Amino acid sequence: QKEVEQDPGPLSVPEGAIVSLNCTYSNSAFQYFMWYRQYSRKGPELLMYTYSSGNKEDGRFTAQVDKSSKYISLFIRDSQPSDSATYLCAMEYGNKLVFGAGTILRVKS
Amino acid sequence: DVKVTQSSRYLVKRTGEKVFLECVQDMDHENMFWYRQDPGLGLRLIYFSYDVKMKEKGDIPEGYSVSREKKERFSLILESASTNQTSMYLCASSLDRGGNTIYFGEGSWLTVV
Repeated sequence: QKEVEQDPGPLSVPEGAIVSLNCTYSNSAFQYFMWYRQYSRKGPELLMYTYSSGNKEDGRFTAQVDKSSKYISLFIRDSQPSDSATYLCAMEYGNKLVFGAGTILRVKS
Repeated sequence: DVKVTQSSRYLVKRTGEKVFLECVQDMDHENMFWYRQDPGLGLRLIYFSYDVKMKEKGDIPEGYSVSREKKERFSLILESASTNQTSMYLCASSLDRGGNTIYFGEGSWLTVV
């Protein structure tokens, strides 16, 4: 079993939709949770970083962590074609950083 | 802005060739990393370095080596390239050892034929 599971998609939505991207994990030692966005043929860039359970909002993006269920989510409101990318979740404990496989998101105009 | 530069974006090499992938960062970060990214497998850590001339194995070091002679430069070496090393290679650097300060380069696409 992988430490971090992420549905690869692709997830295809119309412009303006609310997008929900999710990851589950098995290691309760993970303390820090991140979401990265990766455009085609580019490197990942950090979108959101959270430490504890609960929600963190940044503009149209909301990151949610539920440690009791070992489940994290990224919500994108009012999705735009420019949001089309691969979204990678990542989790960290100590100095160990583990990435999900990434979900491909396509927002159609 | 932090810049991590991977000079070779697209390479095609023959089986058995020695391959060098170069990475330079301009933010004086102590920590540097090499990952490979494959569909369905996500990012897997090959090697990392927390200081000049220091290197540590990641999760998949077999078939690779690294060199860090200067703080800003971290090189990945494939001693004898094989077809199963066809992949996208990502270099990264970070201010601390956490994932919230890690910056990635744009990637090097390597095809071994």
